[in-house]
Amino acid sequence: QLQLQESGPGLVKPSETLSLTCTVSGGSISGGSYYWGWIRQPPGKGLEWIGTIFYSGSTYYNPSLESRVTISVDTSKNQFSLKLSSVTAADTAVYYCARRGVGLPVDPWGQGTLVTVSS
Amino acid sequence: EIVMTQSPATLSVSPGERATLSCRASQSVSRNLAWYQQKPGQAPRLLIYGASTRATGIPARFSGSGSGTEFTLTISSLQSEDFAVYYCQQYNAWPLTFGGGTKVEIK
Repeated sequence: QLQLQESGPGLVKPSETLSLTCTVSGGSISGGSYYWGWIRQPPGKGLEWIGTIFYSGSTYYNPSLESRVTISVDTSKNQFSLKLSSVTAADTAVYYCARRGVGLPVDPWGQGTLVTVSS
Repeated sequence: EIVMTQSPATLSVSPGERATLSCRASQSVSRNLAWYQQKPGQAPRLLIYGASTRATGIPARFSGSGSGTEFTLTISSLQSEDFAVYYCQQYNAWPLTFGGGTKVEIK
């Protein structure tokens, strides 16, 4: 059974870069036609898709975040990563990593990790 | 960007009653529509995809319908574990977008 686990600092200072890693177990990140991506949820609010990387390396980003986001894959570690630059308090959220099959919805999801932006 | 609008924002229902949740897309998403359930402190759980196909392990009391721009999630007889927030999501086009959610609470 495929499992995803987010990891990274829980506290980031304003103007710095938020960096998170998602470790995939129970399957290969380079096996099959899958998208690997990130979704966030500010406390008490709804879900926002951040971006996705296809197994081939193509990336798709939310236009509202595109100038600050980079998603990359490390197939040797079976991991993919998120970098979000110039963060502000508005970037405080639970960040989820997830997989999506071609023509399919986002599933499964990681358990999520809370990142707080504060000095 | 396709805007997803859910209604109502909050739905008060008694256990055993039927709940009907709506989701509208600003343009056609065909049947590329999913429903998720989220409980406090948990990641969203996929309930329905393809507008009407139940995900693995999802009870038959959950059903989805619709196509194009209008979609409905129906919970036929609410159980205590069904009180949660429900989100719709379109995956027909980038960027992927979610509705604002419907909170189903105990009446």
